[in-house]
Amino acid sequence: KNQVEQSPQSLIILEGKNCTLQCNYTVSPFSNLRWYKQDTGRGPVSLTIMTFSENTKSNGRYTATLDADTKQSSLHITASQLSDSASYICVVNGGTYKYIFGTGTRLKVLA
Amino acid sequence: DAGVIQSPRHEVTEMGQEVTLRCKPISGHDYLFWYRQTMMRGLELLIYFNNNVPIDDSGMPEDRFSAKMPNASFSTLKIQPSEPRDSAVYFCASSLRLLKKAQHFGDGTRLSIL
Repeated sequence: KNQVEQSPQSLIILEGKNCTLQCNYTVSPFSNLRWYKQDTGRGPVSLTIMTFSENTKSNGRYTATLDADTKQSSLHITASQLSDSASYICVVNGGTYKYIFGTGTRLKVLA
Repeated sequence: DAGVIQSPRHEVTEMGQEVTLRCKPISGHDYLFWYRQTMMRGLELLIYFNNNVPIDDSGMPEDRFSAKMPNASFSTLKIQPSEPRDSAVYFCASSLRLLKKAQHFGDGTRLSIL
């Protein structure tokens, strides 16, 4: 069964600290993996998109990694800011329209 | 640049009423998606269009749901009759070249069926 599992479900960190969010998937075939940031009351916004051949992609303080062999991805946030408080959603594309969404990690950054 | 525009932002209506959600995609995008988001199930794809043509509606939960895209700049998602279990946030997204580009989401319509 095609699944995307994210951990932890929620996370609280202090401003300025780093954190890493995890995504494990069993989607097959695999086309690409995306990380989205969703602020409360807003639509998801794309952070990174990685294909099979890419194992690292950065977007400012956000760095995503992909291990296609173990079917794992991580999103690392460096020097967190209050504005990083949001849900982070991992999405795996299995070809054509098949987007499999994780249920997200809810991150809270405290001052 | 204007992003994906959805209306209304909030809708509260009674069970049995018809509900119409609207979406204006980003100009030039040739793919349009409708999603539903709930706490229990996260984001689910309902239907998507390519060049105004519905490609797959297998995610549409029941015949009570229908979607149209009469032109490249407008799409609707209709629920008739509505039921309390339809309460959710409905997102519209658009993109270029399905697999390679990011989907751009609107800010959603929060639907509450009483």
